[in-house]
Amino acid sequence: DQQVKQNSPSLSVQEGRISILNCDYTNSMFDYFLWYKKYPAEGPTFLISISSIKDKNEDGRFTVFLNKSAKHLSLHIVPSQPGDSAVYFCAARLTDSWGKLQFGAGTQVVVTP
Amino acid sequence: GAVVSQHPSRVICKSGTSVKIECRSLDFQATTMFWYRQFPKQSLMLMATSNEGSKATYEQGVEKDKFLINHASLTLSTLTVTSAHPEDSSFYICSGGRGGAIREQFFGPGTRLTVL
Repeated sequence: DQQVKQNSPSLSVQEGRISILNCDYTNSMFDYFLWYKKYPAEGPTFLISISSIKDKNEDGRFTVFLNKSAKHLSLHIVPSQPGDSAVYFCAARLTDSWGKLQFGAGTQVVVTP
Repeated sequence: GAVVSQHPSRVICKSGTSVKIECRSLDFQATTMFWYRQFPKQSLMLMATSNEGSKATYEQGVEKDKFLINHASLTLSTLTVTSAHPEDSSFYICSGGRGGAIREQFFGPGTRLTVL
């Protein structure tokens, strides 16, 4: 049962423009959400996170928005750079789960010159 | 800080043999370590959670006798794939978490296992 969904398997964006990655979840008991970036044959790298009590968190070029009523979060990257080309995973943590994360299927981002 | 290493990075073995993968937290004490596997173009699937000095907790559908996990210290966890078969070929990734309310996991670079 996939409780974290990333419905767009790929996204192509021009350098300098905004990348918007979407993530939907079904379990209202998730209390923390994270975005990870992953290159092939490497482990995921933490990007940014947000607590369920907030609706926005910003860190440099990365902003995560959370809409709890819609069970939806998004990651905005602006401006997009060629080095941002990677697979981005959305992850969610259940309350009192000792940090266990559930991951979405990932979105492959390609930033073109 | 918060670096996690895995060894080996790549391993090829014959069907029926056992393979051990090490996961080390290099600059922090990982109270909890997690083991994931990833099939090509798919998500990371949590296999098990291990706390130092106690038995690992396996996710539903993961065979504990096949995937042996040992968390001997706060900086080392090992995953042993016993009697490996070709369907066990996958990318195995570990992560370490610190603190009681783990908010962040630090992932290792992964191990590519190929079983012939």
